[in-house]
Amino acid sequence: GDSVTQMEGPVTLSEEAFLTINCTYTATGYPSLFWYVQYPGEGLQLLLKATKADDKGSNKGFEATYRKETTSFHLEKGSVQVSDSAVYFCALRLSNNNDMRFGAGTRLTVKP
Amino acid sequence: DTGVSQNPRHKITKRGQNVTFRCDPISEHNRLYWYRQTLGQGPEFLTYFQNEAQLEKSRLLSDRFSAERPKGSFSTLEIQRTEQGDSAMYLCASSPSPTRNTEAFFGQGTRLTVV
Repeated sequence: GDSVTQMEGPVTLSEEAFLTINCTYTATGYPSLFWYVQYPGEGLQLLLKATKADDKGSNKGFEATYRKETTSFHLEKGSVQVSDSAVYFCALRLSNNNDMRFGAGTRLTVKP
Repeated sequence: DTGVSQNPRHKITKRGQNVTFRCDPISEHNRLYWYRQTLGQGPEFLTYFQNEAQLEKSRLLSDRFSAERPKGSFSTLEIQRTEQGDSAMYLCASSPSPTRNTEAFFGQGTRLTVV
């Protein structure tokens, strides 16, 4: 069935390091892809999205490109900050529009 | 508009008791979703509403669970005869239209602990 697999955490980086969190998906049809972020004590917030192949979503220095050929949507940031410490979830929206499927989440800790 | 609101934020209950959670979506959003999130996992879909109609239920939603959205605005999720395995964060989300390009807006969740 349709699903999302993302890189297991936790991930610990030093400030200004490069970040990659891998996400791959399995889906029938052409899903939309999303990255959500969950800061401590808060709800999930949309970070970025891409709705078709080769689209690049970007926000707050984060980027992810919808790669149909590798069924991937990896999250990247060139220079992380302590304030980026959070749990990141990759998700897809099914072609039937009804619900979203989430990965297990990757916890990122950025140390000063 | 302050976003999706969920109440209560935390609930501790004894096994076997019934609990009810409330979700107020963003106004004008006709889609409302319930998810469950356990520790170390991503949200798992439970059910969703299009206005007042409940259109889909996950197999995760056992007979002890029931959800309503009587006037197409707020929604309630009730769990009867709670079990320890029901302990989780229950998330509500809403979205403005049923297009594949639309993200869901999440509330802060209700954390349920069954003791």
